[in-house]
Amino acid sequence: EAGVTQFPSHSVIEKGQTVTLRCDPISGHDNLYWYRRVMGKEIKFLLHFVKESKQDESGMPNNRFLAERTGGTYSTLKVQPAELEDSGVYFCASSISGEMPWDEQFFGPGTRLTVL
Amino acid sequence: AQSVTQPDIHITVSEGASLELRCNYSYGATPYLFWYVQSPGQGLQLLLKYFSGDTLVQGIKGFEAEFKRSQSSFNLRKPSVHWSDAAEYFCAVGDSFDFGNEKLTFGTGTRLTIIP
Repeated sequence: EAGVTQFPSHSVIEKGQTVTLRCDPISGHDNLYWYRRVMGKEIKFLLHFVKESKQDESGMPNNRFLAERTGGTYSTLKVQPAELEDSGVYFCASSISGEMPWDEQFFGPGTRLTVL
Repeated sequence: AQSVTQPDIHITVSEGASLELRCNYSYGATPYLFWYVQSPGQGLQLLLKYFSGDTLVQGIKGFEAEFKRSQSSFNLRKPSVHWSDAAEYFCAVGDSFDFGNEKLTFGTGTRLTIIP
């Protein structure tokens, strides 16, 4: 069974440019999460999709970040325009719904974003 | 709001020696607790979890952790480390009341180096 995949593995862009990160969850997983780790800091929650709907986007830093999950399959996270402080590793995780008491999350390898 | 503290940024141990990684959490009730490991180029992998019951939990790869409510701690242990245990370890807490939105709050991680 394929795990969570993320593309690209590494992206280097200049300040002001646009970048789109992609996450393919495990097939059949309704839940999809985005997290971000800024260097040296903790991994922080960004948002949570249930199928194609945003369940919780309380962790999104600002309106330069736009996440979509069309059709409830893969998800994209677009940063436009990118700023220096957006650099970090962006993780995606997916989980199946309905497990008790907790839906285990399976993580992808992350996308390392460097904004110059 | 919940939080997780991992006081050790970097730990070095000799192969075959015992290991203990510290984790303290802040949460108003009994939390759901997790330890994840990230090896280079890999996603975060769940080592073990605690929801309730026996406070000593066993995980994969020979790891165990003990939940101590009085100390708000969930330290990870292994009696004898192997070179393959070199990785970064993350403690995380989940909100036991937020069913359906299983977002995780992570600590800053502990990087483990193994020396021969």
